[in-house]
Amino acid sequence: SAVISQKPSRDICQRGTSLTIQCQVDSQVTMMFWYRQQPGQSLTLIATANQGSEATYESGFVIDKFPISRPNLTFSTLTVSNMSPEDSSIYLCSVAQGADTEAFFGQGTRLTVV
Amino acid sequence: AQSVSQHNHHVILSEAASLELGCNYSYGGTVNLFWYVQYPGQHLQLLLKYFSGDPLVKGIKGFEAEFIKSKFSFNLRKPSVQWSDTAEYFCAVRRDTGGFKTIFGAGTRLFVKA
Repeated sequence: SAVISQKPSRDICQRGTSLTIQCQVDSQVTMMFWYRQQPGQSLTLIATANQGSEATYESGFVIDKFPISRPNLTFSTLTVSNMSPEDSSIYLCSVAQGADTEAFFGQGTRLTVV
Repeated sequence: AQSVSQHNHHVILSEAASLELGCNYSYGGTVNLFWYVQYPGQHLQLLLKYFSGDPLVKGIKGFEAEFIKSKFSFNLRKPSVQWSDTAEYFCAVRRDTGGFKTIFGAGTRLFVKA
Protein backbone atom coordinates (compact mmCIF):
# COMPACT_ATOMS: atom_id res chain seq x y z
CA SER A 1 0.00 0.00 0.00
CA ALA A 2 0.96 3.65 -0.27
CA VAL A 3 0.76 6.37 2.35
CA ILE A 4 -0.48 9.63 0.91
CA SER A 5 -0.11 13.00 2.61
CA GLN A 6 -2.07 15.97 1.42
CA LYS A 7 -1.53 19.56 2.42
CA PRO A 8 -3.40 21.56 3.49
CA SER A 9 -6.02 19.35 5.08
CA ARG A 10 -8.51 22.18 4.94
CA ASP A 11 -8.65 25.84 3.99
CA ILE A 12 -11.08 28.72 3.71
CA CYS A 13 -10.31 30.98 0.77
CA GLN A 14 -11.62 34.19 -0.68
CA ARG A 15 -13.26 34.08 -4.08
CA GLY A 16 -10.96 35.07 -6.89
CA THR A 17 -7.86 33.67 -5.22
CA SER A 18 -5.99 30.43 -5.95
CA LEU A 19 -5.00 27.52 -3.74
CA THR A 20 -2.32 24.93 -4.40
CA ILE A 21 -2.78 21.49 -2.87
CA GLN A 22 0.18 19.21 -2.42
CA CYS A 23 0.20 15.43 -2.57
CA GLN A 24 3.21 13.51 -1.29
CA VAL A 25 3.48 9.71 -1.49
CA ASP A 26 5.85 7.61 0.58
CA SER A 27 6.93 5.50 -2.40
CA GLN A 28 7.26 5.86 -6.14
CA VAL A 29 3.98 5.29 -7.91
CA THR A 30 3.12 4.85 -11.54
CA MET A 31 -0.20 6.64 -11.55
CA MET A 32 -1.45 9.71 -9.75
CA PHE A 33 -4.89 11.19 -10.07
CA TRP A 34 -6.86 14.14 -8.70
CA TYR A 35 -10.52 13.85 -7.77
CA ARG A 36 -13.18 16.22 -6.50
CA GLN A 37 -15.93 15.23 -4.09
CA GLN A 38 -18.57 17.92 -3.86
CA PRO A 39 -20.78 18.00 -0.77
CA GLY A 40 -22.99 14.94 -0.60
CA GLN A 41 -21.77 13.61 -3.92
CA SER A 42 -19.47 10.98 -5.34
CA LEU A 43 -15.92 11.32 -6.54
CA THR A 44 -15.36 12.93 -9.92
CA LEU A 45 -12.04 12.50 -11.66
CA ILE A 46 -10.43 15.81 -12.54
CA ALA A 47 -7.26 14.63 -14.24
CA THR A 48 -4.42 12.18 -14.42
CA ALA A 49 -1.14 13.70 -13.30
CA ASN A 50 1.58 12.60 -15.72
CA GLN A 51 5.17 12.67 -14.61
CA GLY A 52 7.19 15.03 -16.73
CA SER A 53 4.38 16.03 -19.05
CA GLU A 54 1.06 17.83 -19.08
CA ALA A 55 -1.81 16.33 -17.13
CA THR A 56 -4.66 14.57 -18.91
CA TYR A 57 -7.95 16.28 -18.06
CA GLU A 58 -11.42 14.79 -17.98
CA SER A 59 -14.34 16.34 -19.76
CA GLY A 60 -15.44 19.50 -18.00
CA PHE A 61 -12.06 20.27 -16.45
CA VAL A 62 -9.42 22.52 -18.00
CA ILE A 63 -5.81 23.29 -17.31
CA ASP A 64 -6.38 27.01 -16.83
CA LYS A 65 -8.72 26.30 -13.92
CA PHE A 66 -6.92 23.29 -12.45
CA PRO A 67 -3.23 23.39 -13.33
CA ILE A 68 -1.41 20.26 -12.20
CA SER A 69 2.25 19.52 -11.77
CA ARG A 70 4.00 16.22 -11.27
CA PRO A 71 7.75 16.72 -11.18
CA ASN A 72 8.58 13.20 -10.00
CA LEU A 73 7.06 9.84 -9.09
CA THR A 74 6.19 10.76 -5.51
CA PHE A 75 4.79 14.30 -5.67
CA SER A 76 2.06 16.27 -7.38
CA THR A 77 0.24 19.55 -6.95
CA LEU A 78 -3.23 20.68 -7.94
CA THR A 79 -4.05 24.37 -8.10
CA VAL A 80 -7.62 25.59 -7.95
CA SER A 81 -7.50 28.93 -9.74
CA ASN A 82 -9.74 31.98 -9.56
CA MET A 83 -11.95 30.26 -7.04
CA SER A 84 -15.67 30.71 -6.68
CA PRO A 85 -18.04 29.25 -4.05
CA GLU A 86 -18.87 26.46 -6.53
CA ASP A 87 -15.32 25.19 -6.07
CA SER A 88 -16.04 24.39 -2.43
CA SER A 89 -15.36 20.70 -2.26
CA ILE A 90 -13.03 18.00 -1.02
CA TYR A 91 -10.09 17.48 -3.35
CA LEU A 92 -8.44 14.07 -3.22
CA CYS A 93 -5.16 12.75 -4.45
CA SER A 94 -5.15 9.12 -5.52
CA VAL A 95 -2.33 6.80 -6.51
CA ALA A 96 -1.96 3.36 -7.98
CA GLN A 97 1.19 1.28 -8.19
CA GLY A 98 0.19 -0.49 -11.37
CA ALA A 99 -2.55 -2.02 -13.42
CA ASP A 100 -3.08 -4.90 -11.00
CA THR A 101 -3.47 -2.85 -7.82
CA GLU A 102 -6.25 -0.75 -6.44
CA ALA A 103 -6.18 3.01 -6.09
CA PHE A 104 -5.28 4.49 -2.71
CA PHE A 105 -6.60 7.79 -1.48
CA GLY A 106 -5.32 10.52 0.73
CA GLN A 107 -7.37 12.18 3.46
CA GLY A 108 -8.30 14.95 1.09
CA THR A 109 -8.28 18.73 1.27
CA ARG A 110 -11.53 20.33 2.35
CA LEU A 111 -11.82 23.65 0.55
CA THR A 112 -14.39 26.30 1.37
CA VAL A 113 -14.60 29.36 -0.83
CA VAL A 114 -16.31 32.41 0.63
CA ALA B 1 -18.70 7.15 -22.07
CA GLN B 2 -18.03 4.72 -19.31
CA SER B 3 -20.44 4.95 -16.40
CA VAL B 4 -21.09 3.24 -13.10
CA SER B 5 -24.63 3.00 -11.75
CA GLN B 6 -25.55 2.33 -8.16
CA HIS B 7 -29.20 1.53 -7.79
CA ASN B 8 -29.83 2.67 -4.26
CA HIS B 9 -28.88 6.11 -3.04
CA HIS B 10 -30.11 5.63 0.52
CA VAL B 11 -30.66 2.40 2.41
CA ILE B 12 -31.90 2.02 5.96
CA LEU B 13 -31.63 -1.35 7.65
CA SER B 14 -31.95 -2.75 11.14
CA GLU B 15 -29.05 -4.58 12.70
CA ALA B 16 -28.77 -8.22 11.60
CA ALA B 17 -30.61 -7.54 8.35
CA SER B 18 -29.01 -8.67 5.12
CA LEU B 19 -27.57 -6.16 2.71
CA GLU B 20 -27.27 -6.10 -1.05
CA LEU B 21 -26.18 -3.01 -2.93
CA GLY B 22 -26.45 -3.05 -6.68
CA CYS B 23 -23.77 -1.84 -9.09
CA ASN B 24 -23.75 -1.93 -12.88
CA TYR B 25 -21.21 -0.55 -15.31
CA SER B 26 -21.37 0.25 -18.98
CA TYR B 27 -17.92 -0.63 -20.30
CA GLY B 28 -17.75 -3.79 -22.39
CA GLY B 29 -14.05 -4.57 -22.20
CA THR B 30 -11.92 -5.96 -19.42
CA VAL B 31 -12.47 -4.17 -16.14
CA ASN B 32 -11.25 -4.17 -12.59
CA LEU B 33 -14.00 -3.71 -10.02
CA PHE B 34 -13.94 -2.25 -6.55
CA TRP B 35 -16.10 -1.37 -3.61
CA TYR B 36 -14.89 1.42 -1.36
CA VAL B 37 -16.38 2.55 1.94
CA GLN B 38 -16.30 5.97 3.54
CA TYR B 39 -17.19 6.06 7.21
CA PRO B 40 -18.41 9.37 8.60
CA GLY B 41 -15.54 11.84 8.76
CA GLN B 42 -13.01 9.38 7.37
CA HIS B 43 -11.27 8.86 4.07
CA LEU B 44 -12.03 6.21 1.49
CA GLN B 45 -11.08 2.64 2.30
CA LEU B 46 -11.08 -0.38 0.05
CA LEU B 47 -13.64 -3.04 0.96
CA LEU B 48 -12.85 -5.50 -1.79
CA LYS B 49 -11.63 -5.80 -5.33
CA TYR B 50 -11.93 -8.03 -8.37
CA PHE B 51 -9.23 -8.36 -10.99
CA SER B 52 -9.67 -11.88 -12.32
CA GLY B 53 -10.44 -15.44 -11.26
CA ASP B 54 -13.23 -16.42 -8.90
CA PRO B 55 -16.08 -13.97 -9.52
CA LEU B 56 -17.13 -14.19 -5.89
CA VAL B 57 -14.73 -12.07 -3.89
CA LYS B 58 -14.56 -11.63 -0.18
CA GLY B 59 -13.48 -8.45 1.48
CA ILE B 60 -13.01 -7.03 4.92
CA LYS B 61 -15.64 -6.94 7.67
CA GLY B 62 -17.69 -9.80 6.22
CA PHE B 63 -18.49 -8.13 2.91
CA GLU B 64 -18.49 -9.98 -0.39
CA ALA B 65 -19.31 -9.14 -3.97
CA GLU B 66 -20.12 -11.14 -7.06
CA PHE B 67 -19.00 -10.22 -10.54
CA ILE B 68 -21.52 -11.29 -13.17
CA LYS B 69 -19.95 -10.46 -16.50
CA SER B 70 -23.08 -11.13 -18.56
CA LYS B 71 -25.00 -8.61 -16.48
CA PHE B 72 -22.15 -6.08 -16.15
CA SER B 73 -22.81 -6.18 -12.43
CA PHE B 74 -20.77 -6.25 -9.24
CA ASN B 75 -23.22 -6.30 -6.34
CA LEU B 76 -22.07 -5.96 -2.75
CA ARG B 77 -23.52 -8.20 -0.05
CA LYS B 78 -23.32 -8.77 3.66
CA PRO B 79 -25.45 -11.39 5.42
CA SER B 80 -25.91 -9.48 8.67
CA VAL B 81 -25.16 -5.79 9.03
CA GLN B 82 -24.03 -4.04 12.17
CA TRP B 83 -24.55 -0.50 13.41
CA SER B 84 -20.86 0.13 12.64
CA ASP B 85 -21.53 -0.51 8.95
CA THR B 86 -23.25 2.87 8.73
CA ALA B 87 -21.28 4.58 5.98
CA GLU B 88 -21.31 5.51 2.33
CA TYR B 89 -20.43 2.79 -0.15
CA PHE B 90 -18.98 3.45 -3.58
CA CYS B 91 -18.73 1.04 -6.47
CA ALA B 92 -15.82 1.80 -8.79
CA VAL B 93 -14.62 0.49 -12.12
CA ARG B 94 -11.27 0.69 -13.81
CA ARG B 95 -10.76 -0.18 -17.44
CA ASP B 96 -7.71 -2.03 -18.68
CA THR B 97 -7.08 0.79 -21.14
CA GLY B 98 -7.38 4.56 -21.13
CA GLY B 99 -4.85 5.36 -18.44
CA PHE B 100 -6.27 3.04 -15.78
CA LYS B 101 -8.61 5.66 -14.42
CA THR B 102 -10.97 4.60 -11.65
CA ILE B 103 -14.53 5.81 -12.18
CA PHE B 104 -16.94 5.94 -9.25
CA GLY B 105 -20.63 5.41 -8.92
CA ALA B 106 -22.83 7.95 -7.16
CA GLY B 107 -22.59 6.13 -3.85
CA THR B 108 -25.09 4.55 -1.49
CA ARG B 109 -25.61 5.90 2.00
CA LEU B 110 -26.33 3.06 4.40
CA PHE B 111 -27.79 3.73 7.80
CA VAL B 112 -28.05 0.81 10.19
CA LYS B 113 -30.43 1.21 13.09
CA ALA B 114 -29.25 -0.26 16.35
